[in-house]
Amino acid sequence: RKEVEQDPGPFNVPEGATVAFNCTYSNSASQSFFWYRQDCRKEPKLLMSVYSSGNEDGRFTAQLNRASQYISLLIRDSKLSDSATYLCVVRGGYNKLIFGAGTRLAVHP
Amino acid sequence: ETGVTQTPRHLVMGMTNKKSLKCEQHLGHNAMYWYKQSAKKPLELMFVYSLEERVENNSVPSRFSPECPNSSHLFLHLHTLQPEDSALYLCASTPVPIPGSGANVLTFGAGSRLTVL
Repeated sequence: RKEVEQDPGPFNVPEGATVAFNCTYSNSASQSFFWYRQDCRKEPKLLMSVYSSGNEDGRFTAQLNRASQYISLLIRDSKLSDSATYLCVVRGGYNKLIFGAGTRLAVHP
Repeated sequence: ETGVTQTPRHLVMGMTNKKSLKCEQHLGHNAMYWYKQSAKKPLELMFVYSLEERVENNSVPSRFSPECPNSSHLFLHLHTLQPEDSALYLCASTPVPIPGSGANVLTFGAGSRLTVL
């Protein structure tokens, strides 16, 4: 089993749609979780950290389910500019961040 | 403008060449990383340096040789690479992590796209 698994997509959604991605992780001792965004041919950039109680940043909501070992990212009112690959990241040992392969989102007019 | 700068942005080399990738960070961070990103695969951590000391080497072939002369600079020396080494090589940095804190967010450079012929 991969340490961090994501559905590769692509998710093709119209503008204004709500879309959700899930990510599962194998190490139950993992403590920190993040979503990064990577635009085509660019470097990954932190989108948001994921807190135990769930957190929201504008149109983006992240949730953590420790019992089932998954995290989710919900994007409301999708914009064309949201088109990117979303990377699920889990922190393991000494600052070792383990990346998923990413979920590709394509928002169309 | 990212605080982590990588050069060159693109590199094409033959299997017998020797080249180096350079990374420089202007964020005052003390930990630096090399990651490899191949198409449709997760980022693979290659090396970690903390306070200029290598703290992790993830079974990377010896044809990749890192060097960290100071906390602001990181190099990846390349020698006799294989075509399957073609990938995007990303440098990143973090503040020295404090266990339990959130101070371990990676800041990436724009990457060096390597093609081995």
